[in-house]
Amino acid sequence: DGGITQSPKYLFRKEGQNVTLSCEQNLNHDAMYWYRQDPGQGLRLIYYSQIVNDFQKGDIAEGYSVSREKKESFPLTVTSAQKNPTAFYLCASSLKGRISNQPQHFGDGTRLSIL
Amino acid sequence: RKEVEQDPGPFNVPEGATVAFNCTYSNSASQSFFWYRQDCRKEPKLLMSVYSSGNEDGRFTAQLNRASQYISLLIRDSKLSDSATYLCAVNIGVTGTASKLTFGTGTRLQVTL
Repeated sequence: DGGITQSPKYLFRKEGQNVTLSCEQNLNHDAMYWYRQDPGQGLRLIYYSQIVNDFQKGDIAEGYSVSREKKESFPLTVTSAQKNPTAFYLCASSLKGRISNQPQHFGDGTRLSIL
Repeated sequence: RKEVEQDPGPFNVPEGATVAFNCTYSNSASQSFFWYRQDCRKEPKLLMSVYSSGNEDGRFTAQLNRASQYISLLIRDSKLSDSATYLCAVNIGVTGTASKLTFGTGTRLQVTL
């Protein structure tokens, strides 16, 4: 069945370690996004990509990196430069429609914690 | 002023009640609007898009007021299963770009017996 798959569901990061969160979609969506959700702060956009081999910084890109080598995949790396990585990470995708009125659909998230 | 604002609640209502939430946005160029439902420790799920003329989906009605820059969600005949956090999302949008949404922090609804 079609959807967005994030893995792992839970991830623990040691001090100074980079970790990569996976996001795969088989919806044939053009655009993909990464958000971070902290309690009481809503969703904040980290990075987004409209097309393969292209991506843009969102509102809180520092300490994160992404790649978009395939249409269906948009992995997020949380680097050691991100000092407060504990959060719920959500990947989303959407069609790149006219006037950008396409809603986003979300994967079921990855919870990242510091050891 | 935040770009998108919601009353965090919680709204505690009895089963069968009608409840409404508002969401205000600051950018008058905003072009598309959505309501999402998020259950505790789960991902947001699209509830409905909000169209200029207002739209209804079963017990749920969404409306847009461009003059006052807010959208609303009305839930009639509340069910226990409606208990969740409701997020509004607003897209400034420029033709050809990705759907870059700004989310509110959500309004929590608790429906009780």
